[in-house]
Amino acid sequence: AQKITQTQPGMFVQEKEAVTLDCTYDTSDPSYGLFWYKQPSSGEMIFLIYQGSYDQQNATEGRYSLNFQKARKSANLVISASQLGDSAMYFCAMRVLANQAGTALIFGKGTTLSVSS
Amino acid sequence: DTAVSQTPKYLVTQMGNDKSIKCEQNLGHDTMYWYKQDSKKFLKIMFSYNNKELIINETVPNRFSPKSPDKAHLNLHINSLELGDSAVYFCASSQVTGAFTDTQYFGPGTRLTVL
Repeated sequence: AQKITQTQPGMFVQEKEAVTLDCTYDTSDPSYGLFWYKQPSSGEMIFLIYQGSYDQQNATEGRYSLNFQKARKSANLVISASQLGDSAMYFCAMRVLANQAGTALIFGKGTTLSVSS
Repeated sequence: DTAVSQTPKYLVTQMGNDKSIKCEQNLGHDTMYWYKQDSKKFLKIMFSYNNKELIINETVPNRFSPKSPDKAHLNLHINSLELGDSAVYFCASSQVTGAFTDTQYFGPGTRLTVL
């Protein structure tokens, strides 16, 4: 069964520190995409970063990087130099075949990140 | 310019009523989605349309009926609302339907409360 697991319900970090949010996935498909989204308290879903299953290098976007370890089926999000505005819920998601016609995202349960000054 | 917009943002209604949520995207994408986020923040796909054609229909009660008048719009109509329908409903869009690395962009969400 295809599944995303986020084992950290909550993480706490000081401003300017780096933090790693864990994500493991399960799929038997060779083709998939891994995504991270941020949901602040205001409720919107903000796309952060993605990694394709065939990508050789880890994805980076500004302060966000995705630590992709294919053999371990993990896709951890690393946020460098945390800021107060990073406090939010973070979702790991995997794009998989929903049926023969299309793909959809399946989500983990999310990790709440709290950044303190 | 808002990329994916939804109206209304909040919807409070009584059990048994019928309501609609509208979604529009100005990204020129071919594929649109509806996701439901429950009270525990869990997100799950409900429907997907590709260029006005329904391509994903998960195990959703048939009280929920999506409609796509054109590829920029996807509406969700819910009949005979029940308490369990209370949730946040997100519309999303992506350029194509089959690419695994194609990013989905989400609307701001509609918080539906059924009393």
